Amino acid sequence: NAGVMQNPRHLVRRRGQEARLRCSPMKGHSHVYWYRQLPEEGLKFMVYLQKENIIDESGMPKERFSAEFPKEGPSILRIQQVVRGDSAAYFCASSPGLAGGYNEQFFGPGTRLTVL
Amino acid sequence: DAKTTQPTSMDCAEGRAANLPCNHSTISGNEYVYWYRQIHSQGPQYIIHGLKNNETNEMASLIITEDRKSSTLILPHATLRDTAVYYCIAKGAHSGGSNYKLTFGKGTLLTVNP
Repeated sequence: NAGVMQNPRHLVRRRGQEARLRCSPMKGHSHVYWYRQLPEEGLKFMVYLQKENIIDESGMPKERFSAEFPKEGPSILRIQQVVRGDSAAYFCASSPGLAGGYNEQFFGPGTRLTVL
Repeated sequence: DAKTTQPTSMDCAEGRAANLPCNHSTISGNEYVYWYRQIHSQGPQYIIHGLKNNETNEMASLIITEDRKSSTLILPHATLRDTAVYYCIAKGAHSGGSNYKLTFGKGTLLTVNP
């Protein structure tokens, strides 16, 4: 039973480039969450998506950041024109999306983004 | 979500029980207590959750006081691989698309010593 998969595990970008982070949820999970962990800080919620829908993006910076979870394929967190302050670990979690049931979140190993 | 307070760090000897406390004095009646941990450079790992009854699974036990204002996570026989930051989170059950945000504080760094 494969867990949540994220790739790449490490990503290095120069300022101004684009970063694309991918997340494949656990089998049978239809809900995806992205969290960011800045150096020496706790994880902060960014966005919650269901298939083809953004449910809550209140934790996303207003500019340069976007997320999607298409009908087919992984969820993508996209950061345009990266700056040094975007350097962080980005974690994806998934849950089964059980209506009326408890939806525990399972986390992936994270993508560590370094902006030079 | 109710605020939680945890000690910054704790030490435990390998093979002994690790008891990690958490205060959540403002927890409301429908908020659960969740525990996650994060081993260095890895993603958070769910451990256990409970509402008011004590809970036990293959990883740990959760003891919640009768007034629900505090709880203790117990790792019965700590190993070196249990060294991690442990997070106590109080929030409503994630059900039907609500209460989905996990708010991670600074947690407790548990160091298990040989």
